[in-house]
Amino acid sequence: EDQVTQSPEALRLQEGESSSLNCSYTVSGLRGLFWYRQDPGKGPEFLFTLYSAGEEKEKERLKATLTKKESFLHITAPKPEDSATYLCAVQARSIRDTGRRALTFGSGTRLQVQP
Amino acid sequence: GAVVSQHPSWVICKSGTSVKIECRSLDFQATTMFWYRQFPKQSLMLMATSNEGSKATYEQGVEKDKFLINHASLTLSTLTVTSAHPEDSSFYICSARDNPMRVGLAAYEQYFGPGTRLTVT
Repeated sequence: EDQVTQSPEALRLQEGESSSLNCSYTVSGLRGLFWYRQDPGKGPEFLFTLYSAGEEKEKERLKATLTKKESFLHITAPKPEDSATYLCAVQARSIRDTGRRALTFGSGTRLQVQP
Repeated sequence: GAVVSQHPSWVICKSGTSVKIECRSLDFQATTMFWYRQFPKQSLMLMATSNEGSKATYEQGVEKDKFLINHASLTLSTLTVTSAHPEDSSFYICSARDNPMRVGLAAYEQYFGPGTRLTVT
């Protein structure tokens, strides 16, 4: 069974204080790992897709990296508007899942950036 | 691009009534749509996979007769909560996947709607 574990559950940073969020996963053949941002009362907003170990992607103050066991979302010099819940999800390559392409989500990291 | 809408954004209904939630892909055709529910401070739990022109695939523990899914076109999927009860109160979110033949690897990405807050009194 595919599993995704995110840590920490909650993180409070001062504005400008860089940090990293962790996403550990076990999956029977990774097709893709996804990072989303979710604001309260809203649907997840797509951030990144990572397909293979060693891959990195950046968007403004965010940088996502991937290894064979985990992914990190690095936040550089965060601002209060970066406050949100960050969700990690994996998509398996398993034959059983062929045609469905469902995502397995972690429980998320609630990030609060204080001015 | 890749915009998904949901309607309504929130709904309050009485116990025993049925509620329909619509999910639309606005700028792409979605052969597959997914329905999730999310309880406060918890992550998204997949309820069912909706395939255009065929029956939905439900996750274990999700009652197909209670949560009716119809994917009648490439841009619209509906979730009907039948005989709703207070325990069905939740945040329902849909997502859609673009046509893999058109966008290649990006087909694995899912784009989410803004969610529908259902409250059953």
